[in-house]
Amino acid sequence: DQQVKQNSPSLSVQEGRISILNCDYTNSMFDYFLWYKKYPAEGPTFLISISSIKDKNEDGRFTVFLNKSAKHLSLHIVPSQPGDSAVYFCAARGNRDDKIIFGKGTRLHILP
Amino acid sequence: NAGVMQNPRHLVRRRGQEARLRCSPMKGHSHVYWYRQLPEEGLKFMVYLQKENIIDESGMPKERFSAEFPKEGPSILRIQQVVRGDSAAYFCASSPSGTSGEEQYFGPGTRLTVT
Repeated sequence: DQQVKQNSPSLSVQEGRISILNCDYTNSMFDYFLWYKKYPAEGPTFLISISSIKDKNEDGRFTVFLNKSAKHLSLHIVPSQPGDSAVYFCAARGNRDDKIIFGKGTRLHILP
Repeated sequence: NAGVMQNPRHLVRRRGQEARLRCSPMKGHSHVYWYRQLPEEGLKFMVYLQKENIIDESGMPKERFSAEFPKEGPSILRIQQVVRGDSAAYFCASSPSGTSGEEQYFGPGTRLTVT
């Protein structure tokens, strides 16, 4: 039972353009959402997060949007850079919950 | 990866042997989490520990798997009598206080291969 879904296994984007990674969730008890970036042979690295009381959080080139009614969030990267090529995991956490629930990831390729 | 240390990075075991995976959290962090990533899958929560206590082991298989985080030394994830299906990447994460909005910092992982 996949509570956090990333339906696109991979995405290719031209360098300099906007990358949009999508994520859907099913559990309305989630109140904190995170994006992690992972390079091969390394552990996930925290990128950006958003609380369920907000609909947008921005950090430099990265912006996360949350649509609670649709149970959907997205990560925007603009402009996309070669170093952004990695696997991106959407993740969620419940209030007073310790575990993070991860999606299966989307592999982002930034094309020169 | 923010100072979380895991060793070994790669571990090869034959079926039936024991695997011991170690995790040293970031300095000042007393909360440790173990996750497992199977090929082509996301990370799946296994267990959450504080020093000398298991807080949540809802993701741990009922048999053969155990975890500890002693007062001194690293956290250990132990898999007894390994089977091929245990082959995966095992990641450890740590956080300062375990609160909901707090980031977890991940180590580089241990890649276990069972032959």
